[in-house]
Amino acid sequence: AQTVTQSQPEMSVQEAETVTLSCTYDTSESNYYLFWYKQPPSRQMILVIRQEAYKQQNATENRFSVNFQKAAKSFSLKISDSQLGDTAMYFCAFRSIIQGAQKLVFGQGTRLTINP
Amino acid sequence: NAGVTQTPKFQVLKTGQSMTLQCAQDMNHEYMSWYRQDPGMGLRLIHYSVGAGITDQGEVPNGYNVSRSTTEDFPLRLLSAAPSQTSVYFCASSYSYSTQETQYFGPGTRLLVL
Repeated sequence: AQTVTQSQPEMSVQEAETVTLSCTYDTSESNYYLFWYKQPPSRQMILVIRQEAYKQQNATENRFSVNFQKAAKSFSLKISDSQLGDTAMYFCAFRSIIQGAQKLVFGQGTRLTINP
Repeated sequence: NAGVTQTPKFQVLKTGQSMTLQCAQDMNHEYMSWYRQDPGMGLRLIHYSVGAGITDQGEVPNGYNVSRSTTEDFPLRLLSAAPSQTSVYFCASSYSYSTQETQYFGPGTRLLVL
């Protein structure tokens, strides 16, 4: 079974700084999807960015980008020019493409605080 | 579109009581699922449905029942609440079961079982 590990329970940076959140995963599959979700204090889960494993190019969405290292099974999230509104829990998630096994598997989460 | 809605937002139950957590989506999504979120454990899948009339178990199904009589609604039933079911519950949906689609999450229901 796949597992997702986020080794940083909490992080804190100053506004406008760049921060990187770590995520590693374990799978024997060669093709799959990886996601980063943001959960602000409202508790709603919001998709931040998605990466398809067969694509070598790292995904980017405005200030959010990933460093996808397939061989190392690493999927870190970089937030540039951090803003107060980025304060939230961040979850890394894995999704298989195998029929019948396509549920999302989540990491434990990283609580990110952006300080003014 | 309201997206994915969940009711109630917060509920307190006594051990042994039953209740239904409601989930509805207005996006004509085929796939719907229920997760629970516990501190330090991320989200875990309880049950899911790939279409009306079709449901299956996830990672932690014990103590929960689901049904899917319409495309829009996917209620989660707690038959006899236990303190171990204290958690935050999220409903999610996507257009299809395919991994091409991104799941949309509801705002969550916080449940406290005394």
